[in-house]
Amino acid sequence: DTGVSQNPRHKITKRGQNVTFRCDPISEHNRLYWYRQTLGQGPEFLTYFQNEAQLEKSRLLSDRFSAERPKGSFSTLEIQRTEQGDSAMYLCASSYGGGTTDTQYFGPGTRLTVL
Amino acid sequence: AQSVTQLGSHVSVSEGALVLLRCNYSSSVPPYLFWYVQYPNQGLQLLLKYTTGATLVKGINGFEAEFKKSETSFHLTKPSAHMSDAAEYFCAVSAQSSGYALNFGKGTSLLVTP
Repeated sequence: DTGVSQNPRHKITKRGQNVTFRCDPISEHNRLYWYRQTLGQGPEFLTYFQNEAQLEKSRLLSDRFSAERPKGSFSTLEIQRTEQGDSAMYLCASSYGGGTTDTQYFGPGTRLTVL
Repeated sequence: AQSVTQLGSHVSVSEGALVLLRCNYSSSVPPYLFWYVQYPNQGLQLLLKYTTGATLVKGINGFEAEFKKSETSFHLTKPSAHMSDAAEYFCAVSAQSSGYALNFGKGTSLLVTP
């Protein structure tokens, strides 16, 4: 199966530590999105890439968050100096094309718990 | 900005009964609407999407949704619920201002009872 994969699936960290998540999109998908989902809520957009270019960031993405997609393939999302409010499921999605009707395929997510 | 509202955070139906999950949208431009399903410990899976053309959209697993512009609605239905339909369902609209990222509703948890 060549769906979207995310690692790790679970991460427990202490407040103030840095964490990094990885997303591997479906091969040849040029768009990659990061979302955050908290309990009882729908996913919220964080940022997206077209190839290696990060084209937009949500205001939810504070300065402690940084995302990269160095070669237009996999992407990483880093959170520095984690806070308890960062506890959430972080979802990655990819699509091919770039139009409004493109289907986004989601990975299983990385669940972050900040103690 | 485009947004959706899902009415009812929890819906319970009996096996074999009609499933109706409600979604209303707000958009100043023609919306592109989606329904996703999320099973426990799994990623979001696309059920169906409306772009243009036919307003009745058929999706996977027997689900369908009808786009009604006059009511700004995109409700999801299935004639006969199955136990395996128990999951979280999300309505979403494509946000043209964010690279077509999806704006999701808060979700509706569907419980199917025997």
